Amino acid sequence: SAVISQKPSRDICQRGTSLTIQCQVDSQVTMMFWYRQQPGQSLTLIATANQGSEATYESGFVIDKFPISRPNLTFSTLTVSNMSPEDSSIYLCSVAGQGPEKLFFGSGTQLSVL
Amino acid sequence: SQQGEEDPQALSIQEGENATMNCSYKTSINNLQWYRQNSGRGLVHLILIRSNEREKHSGRLRVTLDTSKKSSSLLITASRAADTASYFCATDKSGNKLVFGAGTILRVKS
Repeated sequence: SAVISQKPSRDICQRGTSLTIQCQVDSQVTMMFWYRQQPGQSLTLIATANQGSEATYESGFVIDKFPISRPNLTFSTLTVSNMSPEDSSIYLCSVAGQGPEKLFFGSGTQLSVL
Repeated sequence: SQQGEEDPQALSIQEGENATMNCSYKTSINNLQWYRQNSGRGLVHLILIRSNEREKHSGRLRVTLDTSKKSSSLLITASRAADTASYFCATDKSGNKLVFGAGTILRVKS
């Protein structure tokens, strides 16, 4: 199994600012994903973080709003840019485990935008 | 659009009772997985069932899959207060991209 450290665990931010969320894995992994969970909702995939190349975004998500970095096989960041109250959510990073079908998740970042 | 839909949305039972949650999906799948989320934090993988399997057990968990009806159920037997959590089904879209259902909030009262 993979151990994932995600930080910050929570933050309260002002409208118009940006927040960068970090995800560190204790082993090299090929597949890393970023999910958003809006209040009371399920998880929605934002993008796949690709090592050494641009992230692959899902429909409805764009790089200008959610820039992602993946400098190596153990680390990724997600930035939520120019935030509005609608961005208040839990943001989760995940990695594919051995199999590799199942996913391991970080503990999430609870973001509140005022 | 969301692949999996679950019911019930919320379930409240007494400790020791069984809990059954259902999941329906829309397109063909390679596998279906169930995850648990405690208090809105990270998800934990519970069990995976492949499209050519009909039933699978893991401890107190029993999962069934009916590909003809595009549905799955998760049964938790002899529930405990510690089972209180949200439960999500997830189907594989492609390349490890999972699509999650709406989830069932389970509350086990002691």
